This record gives sequence, structure tokens and C-alpha cells, in this order.
Amino acid sequence: AQSVAQPEDQVNVAEGNPLTVKCTYSVSGNPYLFWYVQYPNRGLQFLLKYITGDNLVKGSYGFEAEFNKSQTSFHLKKPSALVSDSALYFCAVRYGGATNKLIFGTGTLLAVQP
Amino acid sequence: EAGVAQSPRYKIIEKRQSVAFWCNPISGHATLYWYQQILGQGPKLLIQFQNNGVVDDSQLPKDRFSAERLKGVDSTLKIQPAKLEDSAVYLCASSLGSPQEFFGPGTRLTVL
Repeated sequence: AQSVAQPEDQVNVAEGNPLTVKCTYSVSGNPYLFWYVQYPNRGLQFLLKYITGDNLVKGSYGFEAEFNKSQTSFHLKKPSALVSDSALYFCAVRYGGATNKLIFGTGTLLAVQP
Repeated sequence: EAGVAQSPRYKIIEKRQSVAFWCNPISGHATLYWYQQILGQGPKLLIQFQNNGVVDDSQLPKDRFSAERLKGVDSTLKIQPAKLEDSAVYLCASSLGSPQEFFGPGTRLTVL
């Protein structure tokens, strides 16, 4: 079955430190991978995507993610965390076509302490 | 460019009542999605439209949920009758045939 896993319910990091939010996936074929962020009482905001090409993808607000096909991972990273980065982060995968169903992980709450 | 619009933003109803949500996608976006996001979970696709046709409604509880997109633009999602477990945020998204979807702010439904 196609799935996305975010193994950490919460990640805590001090402001200024690097952050990583983990995501692994299990799909047949070539996946399209996404990261979205959700602030309280807000919809999902797009951060970045991997479709094809360079495995290192740069996105909004200084975030980046690395597609690792052998490890079926797409971890989200940022070199220096900000308190304002505190939010709920979702990894998602689409497979089998550009408009096929998007499958979301369960989300990781990022808490950045000042 | 205007984003995806949804209304209402919040709705509180009693169980067994009916409720409807409205979504206006980004202009020109042929594909429209409705998701249900239960607290503590990731969004789950309920139904996907391509213009005014249904592409995927495999996870839509059809005994109580219905959705339509009659003119291929706006869409409504209805629940009748509502159950306690329907309490969730209902997200609408649209896309222009690309892999990326654009999400609206969502409607938070509370069923008492």
C-alpha cells in the first residue's frame, strides 16, 4: 500500500540551530514529493516539491529537502531555525500521475525555542 | 492572483443536522479536491473533480456526504446527517493539471 511516514510527532530545536523533519515514503513508481506547513487556524501552505532532477530542492522561507531514492526519504531541513518556523509540517506524496491522489503523513509539530 | 476561497470558516452544528461548505478554486484550475483533516491527522482526500466530473470519490462516505461541481468552477460539499466523528477541518484545493495543489484556508466543523 502507498504510504507516507513522519516518524516524529514533535521536533524541538533552539533558535539558530539547524533543523530536520523526517519523512519516508512507500509508493510504486516514481513519486512526486511535497512539504506543506500549517499554522494554527490556517490552511496548508506549500513549501517545496520534488518532481524530477536535482535531488536537493530549495523552497520557501529558507527550507530545503533532499530526495534520497535508495532510502525512500525526503527529509526537510533548514540551516538556522527561527521561532516563527514553529508550526505543523506535513510531508505528502503523489504517484502515478500529476493529478492523482495526494497522500499525507500524519504531521510533525516543530517547536523552536528562543 | 486570488487564492482558493472557502466559506464559512467555522461552523458549529448539532448531530443529525445538515451542513454545506462552499469552495471557489483559483481561476482556470480544472482540478478541485476536497480533503477532511481530523485533529492530529494529515488531510485525507474525500473527492476529486476534473472540471465537473468526479475522478476519485473512493473515500467519500456516500451515505451522508455529497459533493458537486455543476459548472466546473465552484463546488459544494454537503453532510447530511452529521455525526460527531465528522468534526474536522474541511480543506478545498485546486490545481492546473500540475502536481502541485493550492489549498484554501479550510472550514472548521464542530458537531455537538
